[in-house]
Amino acid sequence: DQQVKQNSPSLSVQEGRISILNCDYTNSMFDYFLWYKKYPAEGPTFLISISSIKDKNEDGRFTVFLNKSAKHLSLHIVPSQPGDSAVYFCAASANFNKFYFGSGTKLNVKP
Amino acid sequence: DAGVTQSPTHLIKTRGQQVTLRCSPKSGHDTVSWYQQALGQGPQFIFQYYEEEERQRGNFPDRFSGHQFPNYSSELNVNALLLGDSALYLCASSLGASGTYEQYFGPGTRLTVT
Repeated sequence: DQQVKQNSPSLSVQEGRISILNCDYTNSMFDYFLWYKKYPAEGPTFLISISSIKDKNEDGRFTVFLNKSAKHLSLHIVPSQPGDSAVYFCAASANFNKFYFGSGTKLNVKP
Repeated sequence: DAGVTQSPTHLIKTRGQQVTLRCSPKSGHDTVSWYQQALGQGPQFIFQYYEEEERQRGNFPDRFSGHQFPNYSSELNVNALLLGDSALYLCASSLGASGTYEQYFGPGTRLTVT
């Protein structure tokens, strides 16, 4: 049972443009959502999070949007930089219990 | 400040064997979670240790067991290895069970079962 889904395995954008990564979930009890970035041969690193009481959270070039009615969240990166090229995972939990991860989206930012 | 460390980096085992993976949490962290990441998939939660006890467990069989030591380091043991156990095993540490949203991951141990 995949409760968190990232339906786009890969995304390619031009440097300076916006990158939009999407994530869908099925469990309405999820109340905390995170995005992680993973470079090859490294563990995932925390990027940004959002609580279900918010619909938007911003941190520099990164913004996460949450649409609870659609059970959908997205990560916007503006402007995209070549160093942003990595695999991005979304994750969700209910009451900080175990986290469920999506399968990841590989972002390639072309110079 | 040392981050999360895991050993070994790579491991090759034969079906039916047993394996032990090790994790040292980030300095100051007391909670350790283990994840399995199969190729092309996201990390799947195995279990979490806090105060030397297993607090939460994912949907993994009893062949997967763990331990946390007084210094907060942790081991993941897998018995009777199957080919399907081949994966990247990630350890993540955090401060307190309620702080698991800010987990710091290690680089992982790549386990290959032949």
